[in-house]
Amino acid sequence: DAGVTQSPTHLIKTRGQQVTLRCSPKSGHDTVSWYQQALGQGPQFIFQYYEEEERQRGNFPDRFSGHQFPNYSSELNVNALLLGDSALYLCASSRDSSGYNEQFFGPGTRLTVL
Amino acid sequence: AQTVTQSQPEMSVQEAETVTLSCTYDTSESNYYLFWYKQPPSRQMILVIRQEAYKQQNATENRFSVNFQKAAKSFSLKISDSQLGDTAMYFCAFMKHDGGQNFVFGPGTRLSVLP
Repeated sequence: DAGVTQSPTHLIKTRGQQVTLRCSPKSGHDTVSWYQQALGQGPQFIFQYYEEEERQRGNFPDRFSGHQFPNYSSELNVNALLLGDSALYLCASSRDSSGYNEQFFGPGTRLTVL
Repeated sequence: AQTVTQSQPEMSVQEAETVTLSCTYDTSESNYYLFWYKQPPSRQMILVIRQEAYKQQNATENRFSVNFQKAAKSFSLKISDSQLGDTAMYFCAFMKHDGGQNFVFGPGTRLSVLP
């Protein structure tokens, strides 16, 4: 089992550009959550996808959007990049069911906006 | 909204010694989960220990244990017999019992285990 994988590992963009980050969940998981971790801070929840729909969203602008595919993999898109979008973007997957479901994190994508 | 506070930005401990990391949180929820996650330089977040708020017994996982004080909204992590591999950022996190399973993380404590 490969666990949660994310691509690319690192990415450098300039202000105003658009970026797409990818996440493949752990085998058997159907729910994907995205987090933004700025340098020296704890991760902040962006949104969560289940059954190809956005189920929950944190306090992030509409420039942040996502998608979940039928195979449960997910993309995070950020438009009109700002310097402040520079961060580590973490993906976490879990199996949707009642009660607590452990979330497994990927290694993250480091985005640098110049 | 929930908030999580970790008042110790950095800590250090000698190998084989014991260290305690502090965490406080604020919530109006009565049922929730609390977690400690470890993030080593490899960046991957690893679950250290989990506590369910309705359970009075403090959780333990090998060398890791918590002191959960629900009334005080305090959730500290004790690491016994510290090892060099424990060097990492440690994040305290909150999750509502019902509500989509997204975490609210604290700002983290950088722990260095010294040989």
